[in-house]
Amino acid sequence: QLQLQESGPGLVKPSETLSLTCTVSGGSISSSSYYWGWIRQPPGKGLEWIGSIYYSGSTYYNPSLKSRVTISVDTSKNQFSLKLSSVTAADTAVYYCATVRGTAAIDYWGQGTLVTVSS
Amino acid sequence: QSALTQPASVSGSPGQSITISCTGTSSDVGGYNYVSWYQQHPGKAPKLMIYDVSNRPSGVSNRFSGSKSGNTASLTISGLQAEDEADYYCSSYTSSSTLEVFGGGTKLTVL
Repeated sequence: QLQLQESGPGLVKPSETLSLTCTVSGGSISSSSYYWGWIRQPPGKGLEWIGSIYYSGSTYYNPSLKSRVTISVDTSKNQFSLKLSSVTAADTAVYYCATVRGTAAIDYWGQGTLVTVSS
Repeated sequence: QSALTQPASVSGSPGQSITISCTGTSSDVGGYNYVSWYQQHPGKAPKLMIYDVSNRPSGVSNRFSGSKSGNTASLTISGLQAEDEADYYCSSYTSSSTLEVFGGGTKLTVL
């Protein structure tokens, strides 16, 4: 069974770049069965789709975040990563990494990591 | 503003049935049989309850069922139990370049 674990700084300063990594265990990130995705949830609010990447490198981003988001894969480490630039307080959220089927169903979720944007 | 529209809250008594709606457009819910539903308890990661409109993953109770008509999908929970009290989110595949959209979430209260 796939397991995902997010890692990265819990505090980021405004205008800087948020960087998170998701380590995948129990399966290969080179699998064609899944997209590898990022979702976030601001405190007390709903889920927001950030984007995803396929093993081939194809990416899909939320249009509202597209200009600031980069998702990449490191097959040698079985990891994928999220970078969100020029962050503001509005980017404060719990960030989840997840596996996404081709039909957009999200099977496996990481436990989530809270990232706070504050000086 | 979320791409898919859900009621903010629903409630029901133990043993009753409730239905949560999820309304989108022909570019997402109405155009594909790729609607999913997630249950989220406080402080926990969401859990997939329904995928591809009406399929249950292994281990999910058959009290949970999904359906779709036109641009609106629905999640029905029968025989409500206290443990069903949670937030529920729908999502759908979308033909736009983003791949997926979420609903705003519905808080289910078991009275």
